[in-house]
Amino acid sequence: DGGITQSPKYLFRKEGQNVTLSCEQNLNHDAMYWYRQDPGQGLRLIYYSQIVNDFQKGDIAEGYSVSREKKESFPLTVTSAQKNPTAFYLCASSRTGGRNSGNTIYFGEGSWLTVV
Amino acid sequence: QKEVEQNSGPLSVPEGAIASLNCTYSDRGSQSFFWYRQYSGKSPELIMSIYSNGDKEDGRFTAQLNKASQYVSLLIRDSQPSDSATYLCAVNPGAGNNRKLIWGLGTSLAVNP
Repeated sequence: DGGITQSPKYLFRKEGQNVTLSCEQNLNHDAMYWYRQDPGQGLRLIYYSQIVNDFQKGDIAEGYSVSREKKESFPLTVTSAQKNPTAFYLCASSRTGGRNSGNTIYFGEGSWLTVV
Repeated sequence: QKEVEQNSGPLSVPEGAIASLNCTYSDRGSQSFFWYRQYSGKSPELIMSIYSNGDKEDGRFTAQLNKASQYVSLLIRDSQPSDSATYLCAVNPGAGNNRKLIWGLGTSLAVNP
């Protein structure tokens, strides 16, 4: 089945640790995104990538890093510099292009990260 | 600052009724509009996209776009308890690049049996 796979679904991080969230898509989408969702704050863009080997910071990139070595994969690392990482993390992908060309964003199932 | 606003709710409707969810946006040049449904603890799933003024129907769902008044709405006919969820409105002020996609905070819908 085509889709976006995120892993792990639940992750616990100790203070000072880096953790990496995996995101893989087989939709042949060029663009991939990472969002963070906190209660009452809606979706906030962390990083996005339009093509392989290129990515751009979103609105809340501090304390996070990404790579895009393959079209299918866009892992997110939550570093120890991120002081409040407990949140629901959503990976998404879309085709690129103009209006009406199928630029709809589709989401993976999400990963819950908790600091312990 | 470009904004997308939704009434947080909760909006409560009886089973079988029509649920009406509204979303207003500030950027008059916005091009693409999306409605997503999000169940508690789950990721958002697309219900509908709309790009042109007017109505777009898909099963029990109808999206309505009025660019002059800068609002987009979602009607759910014959509401079912399984429709109980948070509905997110997203607006793309540009064409294509979802980098600028702006999300509303969502409206919580409760359909009572």
